Amino acid sequence: QVQLQESGPGLVKPSETLSLTCTVSGGSVSSGSYYWSWIRQPPGKGLEWIGYISYSGSTNYNPSLKSRLTMSVDTSKNQFSLKLSSVTAADTAVYYCARLKRVAAHLDYWGQGTLVTVSS
Amino acid sequence: QSVLTQPPSASGTPGQRVTISCSGSNSNIGSNPVNWFQQLPGTAPKLLIYNNNQRPSGVPDRFSGSKSGTSASLAISGLQSEDAADYYCAAWDDSLNGRYVFGTGTKVTVL
Repeated sequence: QVQLQESGPGLVKPSETLSLTCTVSGGSVSSGSYYWSWIRQPPGKGLEWIGYISYSGSTNYNPSLKSRLTMSVDTSKNQFSLKLSSVTAADTAVYYCARLKRVAAHLDYWGQGTLVTVSS
Repeated sequence: QSVLTQPPSASGTPGQRVTISCSGSNSNIGSNPVNWFQQLPGTAPKLLIYNNNQRPSGVPDRFSGSKSGTSASLAISGLQSEDAADYYCAAWDDSLNGRYVFGTGTKVTVL
């Protein structure tokens, strides 16, 4: 059974960089059948796709976040990561990592999510 | 930010059939498969339907999906109390170099 687990600081100061890591178990980030994705959900609001990274490091970012986003993958640790710079209160959200299956493009496994609050 | 439009709420009594609509455009639903997610309170979304009408293993056959043109629907037959949740449609969108888009979400209440 594939499992994903987000980790990182729960509190980030405005203008600083939000950094999260997703650890995958029961599956490999080196598989070419999947993209490794990030999604967020502000409190009480809907879901927003942030972007994905492939095992080879190719990325696809949400245009609205692209200028502040960096994703990376570490196949040796079976992890992938997210960095979002210059954060504001609008970036406060539950951040989920998930596996995007390339065939029929669907997010089949999700992490439990981690709340990141942007506040001084 | 949401590109796909859903009704904000839907409700029914136990045993009833509830349908949720999802409206998009040619660049997303019109060109790509639709997925549906169920989000129970305080939990991560769970894949309910993929490729328009396919159910992952373990999803009850009370849940069914369909697509026509630039719209899609999720039907819940034999509504149960545990179906009270938020439901989101989603699809790949071919515009802006490609991106994954979600619906606005529908809160289902079991009366």
